[in-house]
Amino acid sequence: QVQLQQSGPGLVKPSQTLSLTCAISGDSVSSNSVAWNWIRQSPSRGLEWLGRTYYRSKWYNDYAVSLKSRITINPDTSKNQFSLQLNSVTPEDTAVYYCARDRRFENDYWGQGTLVTVSS
Amino acid sequence: DIQMTQSPSSLSASVGDRVTITCRASQSISSYLNWYQQKPGKAPKLLIYVASSLQSGVPSRFSGSGSGTDFTLTISSLQPEDFATYYCQQSYSAPPTFGQGTKVEIK
Repeated sequence: QVQLQQSGPGLVKPSQTLSLTCAISGDSVSSNSVAWNWIRQSPSRGLEWLGRTYYRSKWYNDYAVSLKSRITINPDTSKNQFSLQLNSVTPEDTAVYYCARDRRFENDYWGQGTLVTVSS
Repeated sequence: DIQMTQSPSSLSASVGDRVTITCRASQSISSYLNWYQQKPGKAPKLLIYVASSLQSGVPSRFSGSGSGTDFTLTISSLQPEDFATYYCQQSYSAPPTFGQGTKVEIK
């Protein structure tokens, strides 16, 4: 049974960096057959895919074009987890953030969600 | 990006009703369409993948159909635990995109 456990602060100041971690159990971040996504949800934007990391003999990342200059997703093989960093946040980045496993074309396991509020 | 449009945005139904939710893509996505159920305060849960495949553990009253641009999620006999918001998502091309959701409420 795959489980994803998210951690990270729920409050971030404007212009600072949002950092979240997703710890994986029951699978490996280095699996050759899945990808590891970050997705967020807000009333104004709905569900929005942010990006992913995956391993296919080497590491790859894909990011949403609108966030490409501000986002980094990194795997941590020593801890079997992956992380999200979003720089220069504004109140528009306030949302519930989810990590999720992308099995092939669908997200079959999700983290519990983290409400991140951007406010001074 | 491919736009996903669901209809209706909300509906009221009674336990035992047959419920149908539709999802339309702005261009053909073959069968790369997934359905999720979300309850308040919880993460989305995968119900149907590649248009019509039932995710393990999901009751058989849920079914999906369609291909190209038009897709349907059907709940054959609505149960109390099915009152939730449903989302479609295309995985045909990056970035994956979601519909705006359909809220199923108790009549």
